[in-house]
Amino acid sequence: DVKVTQSSRYLVKRTGEKVFLECVQDMDHENMFWYRQDPGLGLRLIYFSYDVKMKEKGDIPEGYSVSREKKERFSLILESASTNQTSMYLCASSFGGGYSSYEQYFGPGTRLTVT
Amino acid sequence: SQKIEQNSEALNIQEGKTATLTCNYTNYSPAYLQWYRQDPGRGPVFLLLIRENEKEKRKERLKVTFDTTLKQSLFHITASQPADSATYLCALHNAGNMLTFGGGTRLMVKP
Repeated sequence: DVKVTQSSRYLVKRTGEKVFLECVQDMDHENMFWYRQDPGLGLRLIYFSYDVKMKEKGDIPEGYSVSREKKERFSLILESASTNQTSMYLCASSFGGGYSSYEQYFGPGTRLTVT
Repeated sequence: SQKIEQNSEALNIQEGKTATLTCNYTNYSPAYLQWYRQDPGRGPVFLLLIRENEKEKRKERLKVTFDTTLKQSLFHITASQPADSATYLCALHNAGNMLTFGGGTRLMVKP
């Protein structure tokens, strides 16, 4: 079974702190994604990586950065956390394959609260 | 602008009936569309993928249709059970390997 794990289920941080959210997948997937999910707004893509050290901006990259040094690990970084970044953060992974893409496998999510 | 619409109101049905959820989109020409299930406090779980040249796809009690002329997908659960209660998300293929998700529809199946 594909497993996507996230470093924390719940996290509370203060405004201005630097926050790291870690995601690890064990299926040798090329693609990894970071989303945030908010009531009424659904799932929104923050960043996407299709290979080690490669990244693409999603719909809402402002205030976030990412790092992918190893194929299995994709990190989301909040350089200076703000209260409007309080949200559920979901990591996902999928096989590559260009046009013929595959389903995404999601982690359990990290509920981040910024106070 | 591109838009995906799912009924934001919860769908309440009686156990044993068929649940039908709708996903409408505008300004997209997706190569494929996916449906996911999400339980409270958990990540979405993939259910079905249907490609633009497929009209219908089935998996056990699930059926998905994809009408590229109407720009609509319908998701059916036959013989619904209380355990089917969850939020169901449709997701459209976007550029490259990216998906754009709808807001989801919450399904409540009452015994």
